[in-house]
Amino acid sequence: DIQMTQSPSSLSASVGDRVTITCRASQSINTYLNWYQQKPGKAPRLLIYGTSSLQSEVPSRFSGSGSGTDFTLTISSLQPEDFATYYCQQSYNTLFTFGPGTKVDIK
Amino acid sequence: QVQLVESGGGVVQPGRSLRLSCAASGFPFSTYAMQWVRQASGKGLEWVALISDDGSIKSYADSVKGRFTISRDSSKNTLYLQMNSLRVEDTAVYYCARDWGYSGSWPHDAFDIWGQGTMVSVSS
Repeated sequence: DIQMTQSPSSLSASVGDRVTITCRASQSINTYLNWYQQKPGKAPRLLIYGTSSLQSEVPSRFSGSGSGTDFTLTISSLQPEDFATYYCQQSYNTLFTFGPGTKVDIK
Repeated sequence: QVQLVESGGGVVQPGRSLRLSCAASGFPFSTYAMQWVRQASGKGLEWVALISDDGSIKSYADSVKGRFTISRDSSKNTLYLQMNSLRVEDTAVYYCARDWGYSGSWPHDAFDIWGQGTMVSVSS
């Protein structure tokens, strides 16, 4: 099975900060990596698919990069509505494993 | 509008069964694979099961294999999750999600539409 890890598990940041979250797969997943945002009490929301493609209506301050086993999600200038938990997910195989999540909160 | 609405959650004793439903609207349900994902309180997302658009392919997480069954009725635009032999550790919010084949090469997809979730609590 493909295991997904994320770092950090949580971070505190201020509005306007540049934030980077890392996701690592236990084996190569090509670029089949998605990112989701989840706010408390809400369903997850697809942000980025295929490593770097922005989902419709997602602000351009979000970006993704990587390939193989190492991936990053970057928020170029953190906004108040971005405080949430972010999950990566592999879609290399049909087990669709999620990472453990990274919680972004207010410093 | 495009929407998924789950139902069927509740409180159940260990060893009992429960069936969840997910009603789809606003899109051609029969042309999309569908997924179930769960989340225990304060925990991360756990993929549970998938079913292909025509129902011929099903896959399950090891944690539920042999106990849960995913199915669909395209005449009713509804996805199901039959959960048998429930355990305390199955307690979670259960989400259904639409599998979007952005790459045109399944299963290299993403989950683009999610329901609001239904709570399942397994307790004696």
